[in-house]
Amino acid sequence: EAQVTQNPRYLITVTGKKLTVTCSQNMNHEYMSWYRQDPGLGLRQIYYSMNVEVTDKGDVPEGYKVSRKEKRNFPLILESPSPNQTSLYFCASSEIREREAGTQYFGPGTRLLVL
Amino acid sequence: AQSVTQLDSHVSVSEGTPVLLRCNYSSSYSPSLFWYVQHPNKGLQLLLKYTSAATLVKGINGFEAEFKKSETSFHLTKPSAHMSDAAEYFCVVSGLSSYDKVIFGPGTSLSVIP
Repeated sequence: EAQVTQNPRYLITVTGKKLTVTCSQNMNHEYMSWYRQDPGLGLRQIYYSMNVEVTDKGDVPEGYKVSRKEKRNFPLILESPSPNQTSLYFCASSEIREREAGTQYFGPGTRLLVL
Repeated sequence: AQSVTQLDSHVSVSEGTPVLLRCNYSSSYSPSLFWYVQHPNKGLQLLLKYTSAATLVKGINGFEAEFKKSETSFHLTKPSAHMSDAAEYFCVVSGLSSYDKVIFGPGTSLSVIP
């Protein structure tokens, strides 16, 4: 089954304790992205990647890191989490097409609470 | 620069009545437009997308949307609401290529009253 998986689904942590949220897709998509969803703000892009070893900042990259060492995986790293990073996080992937915006496939989400 | 506005943060309809969720966009070039749906505690799923082909786009579950360039709108409609349509709906604007930025609207929460 074609899917995007994220782990963990729920996470409670404390300020300053490094954490990683994993994202994996089995559709051989080149493009992967991380979003955070906050009430009234929709989804805001944190980082995205067009291919292996190619990453770029989205709209809200501060406090986050990513890596793309393999095509299928795109982990999100919070080196020193703060309470304002409490949010619902989504990973997404899509094909790259020159003349058509790709349809994004989303993971189930990771709900993070930073105390 | 691109932006997207969803005019209603919350819409409530009775089961069996029409649904209208409004979306207006701003783009300096021809956009791609999407509607995604998010059911409670679930990820987002594509409902439909417009990419410069037919202006009336049909999606899943009986939804459709019409691209109106003169009004810079991409409103989502359904003739008859079902209880299972209760969800959050996001209008999304992008460029014509996968390399373009993707901008999400703030979302419209749809409630369906039995």
